[in-house]
Amino acid sequence: AQSVTQPDIHITVSEGASLELRCNYSYGATPYLFWYVQSPGQGLQLLLKYFSGDTLVQGIKGFEAEFKRSQSSFNLRKPSVHWSDAAEYFCAVGEGRDDKIIFGKGTRLHILP
Amino acid sequence: DAGVIQSPRHEVTEMGQEVTLRCKPISGHNSLFWYRQTMMRGLELLIYFNNNVPIDDSGMPEDRFSAKMPNASFSTLKIQPSEPRDSAVYFCASSYLNYGYTFGSGTRLTVV
Repeated sequence: AQSVTQPDIHITVSEGASLELRCNYSYGATPYLFWYVQSPGQGLQLLLKYFSGDTLVQGIKGFEAEFKRSQSSFNLRKPSVHWSDAAEYFCAVGEGRDDKIIFGKGTRLHILP
Repeated sequence: DAGVIQSPRHEVTEMGQEVTLRCKPISGHNSLFWYRQTMMRGLELLIYFNNNVPIDDSGMPEDRFSAKMPNASFSTLKIQPSEPRDSAVYFCASSYLNYGYTFGSGTRLTVV
């Protein structure tokens, strides 16, 4: 069965610093991978997705993620965070194009001024 | 496109009352998902539909919960009777061929 692990419940970084949020998945074949962001009081918004091809994917708001099959990871990165990036971030994995996706527990990002 | 539209945004009801949450997915999307989010349990998939047909309802907590999708543009999630432990934010999401979900803004349900 699929599973997604986000090992960090909370992450705090200073504004302007770089960011990496970790995500590990468990799935036998090549998964469909996603990162979502949720601001307080809002629904989840898709940041980026990986289906196949180039293992480094670019998303909205300056985020990128790299798929590493050998490590079963899909970590999210941003070179310089802004105060507006404070939110909860969810990694998710899907089996196929018509199937459900499973969400991780989320990582809450705090930004220090 | 107006996105996924959920109503109401907030609902406060008394224990034992029936609650109906509504969702209008994005036109052209063929899958619809209902999620529940709480601090304790995170984001839980309750049920999902593909082409208006329920595919997996294993996440529906009890018989008190039911969901319908009578057509491609409308879905409801009903709780009858409601209980305080049902208090949560309920999200609806839609997708096309799992290219990524589009979430609604959610319904915050409080059962007192």
